[in-house]
Amino acid sequence: DQQVKQNSPSLSVQEGRISILNCDYTNSMFDYFLWYKKYPAEGPTFLISISSIKDKNEDGRFTVFLNKSAKHLSLHIVPSQPGDSAVYFCAASSKLIFGTGTRLQVFP
Amino acid sequence: DGGITQSPKYLFRKEGQNVTLSCEQNLNHDAMYWYRQDPGQGLRLIYYSQIVNDFQKGDIAEGYSVSREKKESFPLTVTSAQKNPTAFYLCASSAIPPGTQYFGPGTRLTVL
Repeated sequence: DQQVKQNSPSLSVQEGRISILNCDYTNSMFDYFLWYKKYPAEGPTFLISISSIKDKNEDGRFTVFLNKSAKHLSLHIVPSQPGDSAVYFCAASSKLIFGTGTRLQVFP
Repeated sequence: DGGITQSPKYLFRKEGQNVTLSCEQNLNHDAMYWYRQDPGQGLRLIYYSQIVNDFQKGDIAEGYSVSREKKESFPLTVTSAQKNPTAFYLCASSAIPPGTQYFGPGTRLTVL
C-alpha cells in the first residue's frame, strides 16, 4: 500500500517554462516532507523541504506547496532549465517514505 | 570533507553467496538508513538505525541484516535468503530524525 504517491511517472517541459511535480500522501500524521533530485546511478540529493505548519516554502527557482486538507504537495520549478532533467522523489515523515518518482525532462 | 561513502560502486556475486555493502559517514549523524531502488519503483527502506547498537527493520528487511557497532558505519549484508538481490542500494544518514537525509552514491549489486 503506497503511502506516498507520485502518479506521473514522467513530465516533459520546455526550457524556461514552469515544471510542476505532484505528490499525494495518505497518512495525515505525516508532518514533514522533502523533495529529492536523482541522476542515474547516483544517490538522491536533497532539494527542498516543508513542515506541516507551513503551506509554502521557496528556495530560488524551487517552491514547494503543501495542501494538508487534500494531502497533496507539489514542487514548482521556474524557470525550468535543461540541467533540471532528472528523477524527482517526494518523501514524507521521519522514516522518509518515498514516492516512486517523476522523471522530468526539460528540452530546449 | 564531510560526506557519506559507499563502496564498491559495482558489485557482482554468485547466487547463494552473502555479500556485505559498506556505508561510512563522517557527518556525525546519529541516524543511518539503507534503501533499495528497483526500476520503476521508489526507494524502499530496508533497515534504519537511530543510535549505535540499535537498528529497526524497514519495509523490506527480509533477507538482509545490518550492524551498527560504530556511529560512522552501517554495513548491510545481503544474504542468500534474499530472493531478488539484484538492485541499486543506497545508504543515507541524517541528524535527529526527521532531519534531512544525505545519501551516498549507491552500490549496484548484480547477482549472477
